[in-house]
Amino acid sequence: AQSVTQLGSHVSVSEGALVLLRCNYSSSVPPYLFWYVQYPNQGLQLLLKYTSAATLVKGINGFEAEFKKSETSFHLTKPSAHMSDAAEYFCAVSANNNDMRFGAGTRLTVKP
Amino acid sequence: DVKVTQSSRYLVKRTGEKVFLECVQDMDHENMFWYRQDPGLGLRLIYFSYDVKMKEKGDIPEGYSVSREKKERFSLILESASTNQTSMYLCATLTGTYSYEQYFGPGTRLTVT
Repeated sequence: AQSVTQLGSHVSVSEGALVLLRCNYSSSVPPYLFWYVQYPNQGLQLLLKYTSAATLVKGINGFEAEFKKSETSFHLTKPSAHMSDAAEYFCAVSANNNDMRFGAGTRLTVKP
Repeated sequence: DVKVTQSSRYLVKRTGEKVFLECVQDMDHENMFWYRQDPGLGLRLIYFSYDVKMKEKGDIPEGYSVSREKKERFSLILESASTNQTSMYLCATLTGTYSYEQYFGPGTRLTVT
């Protein structure tokens, strides 16, 4: 069984500040981990994914995430927030082709 | 580019109506999925299909059925819509064997009154 917990349903940062969105996972087998972003009234778009290669994964729009097995974490970061980063972010874990588990989501607000 | 399209972006239906949500993909992907998304609950899997005419229940199949007569099309059916089925519905495909990555359509926001 696998699951994901996203810490914080809402995160607010100022433009130019560090973005940190937290995700902890549980998996009985080595997991594949994902971060997706959803802009208002749109589908989910893949930001980045971890597939057991490098533990530091770089994605689109300047985001990156680090896989830490000892902490069962896969936190998403961006050094400097931009207004266009305001969206909802979902962490997901998968251990096979037909079973992806999503967190509840974190809504990111960026203040000018 | 993978393209997943959904027949409607917004849909309003009455309680008791039969509702069809259509999803079409143009990349010959085997596996397709239907999720519903509700605030605070993330995405929950309703059904998935791994081949034509093949389907498997997800976590919340009650009140829904699916149809996959052609590889590119995966339909979600609400047999008798109820107000608790008001939600955002998302279709996705699996981008490749062992990739585990899913590609999503734009979603259909369904309101049942």
